Parts: sequence; C-alpha cells; structure tokens
Amino acid sequence: ETGVTQTPRHLVMGMTNKKSLKCEQHLGHNAMYWYKQSAKKPLELMFVYNFKEQTENNSVPSRFSPECPNSSHLFLHLHTLQPEDSALYLCASSQASGGSYEQYFGPGTRLTVT
Amino acid sequence: GQNIDQPTEMTATEGAIVQINCTYQTSGFNGLFWYQQHAGEAPTFLSYNVLDGLEEKGRFSSFLSRSKGYSYLLLKELQMKDSASYLCAGLMNRDDKIIFGKGTRLHILP
Repeated sequence: ETGVTQTPRHLVMGMTNKKSLKCEQHLGHNAMYWYKQSAKKPLELMFVYNFKEQTENNSVPSRFSPECPNSSHLFLHLHTLQPEDSALYLCASSQASGGSYEQYFGPGTRLTVT
Repeated sequence: GQNIDQPTEMTATEGAIVQINCTYQTSGFNGLFWYQQHAGEAPTFLSYNVLDGLEEKGRFSSFLSRSKGYSYLLLKELQMKDSASYLCAGLMNRDDKIIFGKGTRLHILP
C-alpha cells in the first residue's frame, strides 16, 4: 500500500449505531487530519494530530471521537450520529502539522446516516 | 470569520487557457494553497504560494498578491482530464490552520 488509505470507502449507518472509520498513512508523516466534506460546503477541518497528540479540535460534536494510536494510524469513532452528518470524511497526512506542509489526502469514506 | 471566495463553476474549451480566481481577507493569512479534486477522488496538491508573484509548474501556474488578498490558478493548454474542482485554501498565521474555499468546478468542453 502506498500513500493514504481509508476504510471503509462507503458506510451506511443508523442513528443508533456505533461505527469506526480507519485511516492509515504509509508516508512516514507525523501529522494526521480528519476533514468533513459536504455538498456545496468548504472542506471542514475536524481534528489534527501531531506526533500522536491532538493539537486541534475544531468545535466538533462529541458524537465524533478521534483516536490516534501511532503516527501512521488514525480512527474516527462514530456514535448516535444525525442525518446531517452524512458527508465524505477525508483523512490527510503531512510531514508535520501547520505551516506550508503539503497535505496528502486519502480517498475518503462516503458516510450516509439513515 | 475568515472567508475564502472563489467562483462556483467555470467552463472552458479544450486547448484554451482558464484563470480561476480566489480572494480572501488580507489579515491573518500567511500563504495560499491550490488543490485539485476530481469527482469522487481525494484532493491532490497543486501549489503553495507564500511570496507575491507568479509560480509556474508546467501547464499550471499560481499567482499571489498578499496586499490585495488575491490569488489565481492559471491552466494552459486545457485537457479533458483537467475537468475537476479546484480548491483554494489559505494558511492562517495565527494558528497554522488551513481554511478551504468551496471550490470551483471546472468543466472542459471538447
């Protein structure tokens, strides 16, 4: 595997379900990000991890819970989501957080909440 | 909050040149990124400008004017594969966060 991978690619879940999104980067980067991309809205930064430490929580509801066990893996745990949470969830990584570092994005998980 | 503005959609012809503009509030931004995103795919990095002026990379060039809060992406010799969304993103100097615009969907006609 190369680059940034995400699983699953598509997910349909009910509002009472609990599910997790997984992201893995094979680039030796130290920073990882979760973004939400909704139709007709800008890409929204959700969380930033730098060297496994969370450095940014962009006022995200607690029904989204990130986990970063090491610099290569990032999870987004989902529970009691709302239909408006349906979106494309993109993971990205960069050499370090902030600054001018280019971010490499994964293919995303298309989430539908029913 | 900080705003990044860019046109929602543009159309151009194969072989032609197109310029996609992006404007932002001048205070607080340190540099400008451009990303390309094909439908159903991940965004990919195109350019980053921190100094004023034009930077050329093959068929793509990016321009920045920090004093005017203005950037553009110039695409030359357009190809059908250039049909995509182009995302302008500003790097905030306060906290190093990147703020994305809504993207410009570019349609290329044969």
